[in-house]
Amino acid sequence: KNQVEQSPQSLIILEGKNCTLQCNYTVSPFSNLRWYKQDTGRGPVSLTIMTFSENTKSNGRYTATLDADTKQSSLHITASQLSDSASYICVVSAFYGQNFVFGPGTRLSVLP
Amino acid sequence: EAGVAQSPRYKIIEKRQSVAFWCNPISGHATLYWYQQILGQGPKLLIQFQNNGVVDDSQLPKDRFSAERLKGVDSTLKIQPAKLEDSAVYLCASSGIRTGEETQYFGPGTRLLVL
Repeated sequence: KNQVEQSPQSLIILEGKNCTLQCNYTVSPFSNLRWYKQDTGRGPVSLTIMTFSENTKSNGRYTATLDADTKQSSLHITASQLSDSASYICVVSAFYGQNFVFGPGTRLSVLP
Repeated sequence: EAGVAQSPRYKIIEKRQSVAFWCNPISGHATLYWYQQILGQGPKLLIQFQNNGVVDDSQLPKDRFSAERLKGVDSTLKIQPAKLEDSAVYLCASSGIRTGEETQYFGPGTRLLVL
């Protein structure tokens, strides 16, 4: 069964600190992996997308990594800001871009 | 570029009533998705359209949910009759040519509460 798991479920950090969110998947055949940021009351916004051949991709202070062998991905946030408080969702696509499988998300709270 | 528009933003109904949601995707986007997001969970795909044809509706509870995308642009999602467990946020998303790597753009969602 295609599944995406994320950890931790929630995380609280202080402003300016770094953090890393984890994503494990069992989706097959793998097409690509995306990280989304979802602010409260809003729809998800794409941060990064990685295909099988990519093992890292950055978007500003966000850096995603992908290990296709172990089926793991991480999202690293550098120098966190209050505006980073949101849910971060890992999404894996199977079958040539179809069949999006969403993870449950990690709820990040950045405190001053 | 205008984003994905959804209406209404909030809806409160009683169980067994009917409700409809509307979505206007980004101009030119051929693919449109409806998702259900229950509080504390990730979105779950309900139905995917490519232009006005259905690509995937395997997780759509067809006994009570229906969706259409007439003329391949706007789309409506209907629930009839609603149940308590339908309380969720209904997200609409659109994307361009279906290459497999296109970005999905999400609307703000419609928050439904069934009492």
